[in-house]
Amino acid sequence: EVQLVQSGAEGKKPGESLRISCQGSGYDFSTYWIGWVRLMPGKGLEYMGRVDPRDSYNNYSPSFRGHVSISSDRAINTAYIQWSNLEASDSAIYFCVRMSCSTTNCFFDYWGQGTLVTVSS
Amino acid sequence: QTVVTQEPSLTVSPGGTVTLTCASSTGPVTSAFYPNWFQRRPGQAPTALIYSTSNKHSWTPARFSGSLLGGKAALTLSPVQPEDEAEYYCLLYFGSSNWVFGGGTTLTVL
Repeated sequence: EVQLVQSGAEGKKPGESLRISCQGSGYDFSTYWIGWVRLMPGKGLEYMGRVDPRDSYNNYSPSFRGHVSISSDRAINTAYIQWSNLEASDSAIYFCVRMSCSTTNCFFDYWGQGTLVTVSS
Repeated sequence: QTVVTQEPSLTVSPGGTVTLTCASSTGPVTSAFYPNWFQRRPGQAPTALIYSTSNKHSWTPARFSGSLLGGKAALTLSPVQPEDEAEYYCLLYFGSSNWVFGGGTTLTVL
């Protein structure tokens, strides 16, 4: 059974750093990208970026480039998203999602359960 | 900035048919946008329904279908079930690894 299991809820202060994780199981972790999606309170889903666990190549949505860093460690089937300087506006639920693209198809299929991040002084 | 537009809300009766649409501010949506559709119930992670316009995942109920309609991506539910009450999001690809979600449609089954 394919599963993406994310790390638990976090409470942080503005200016602090944070890394949350997403561990995949039930499939070859290296053969699918992992994307990250933000859900802010009362808002819709936002695509943030993705990482290819084969080589850790990442890219970002223009809205998030420079504010977060996405990485992976294929030895432990885990992807990460991290912030070095949290702001209150980073308070949201963050989801990881398995994704794959070829020349004919692109899909996002399995999702993590979500990680609630609260940033408050 | 690229904007993807969905109907904010729709209401449908049980057993009826409803079509949700997904438009791009850049022009007509085509298969090259690889439209994906997701369902999200309150307090839960999204569930994938449709990918690359019209392909279903193995778990997608048969009553859900995807298409291109009038320059937009479309998700049709027929017949609608009470448990289909949820938020629905489309996702489009704009090249250079840039994916953009629509604002979501709240579907009420009444």
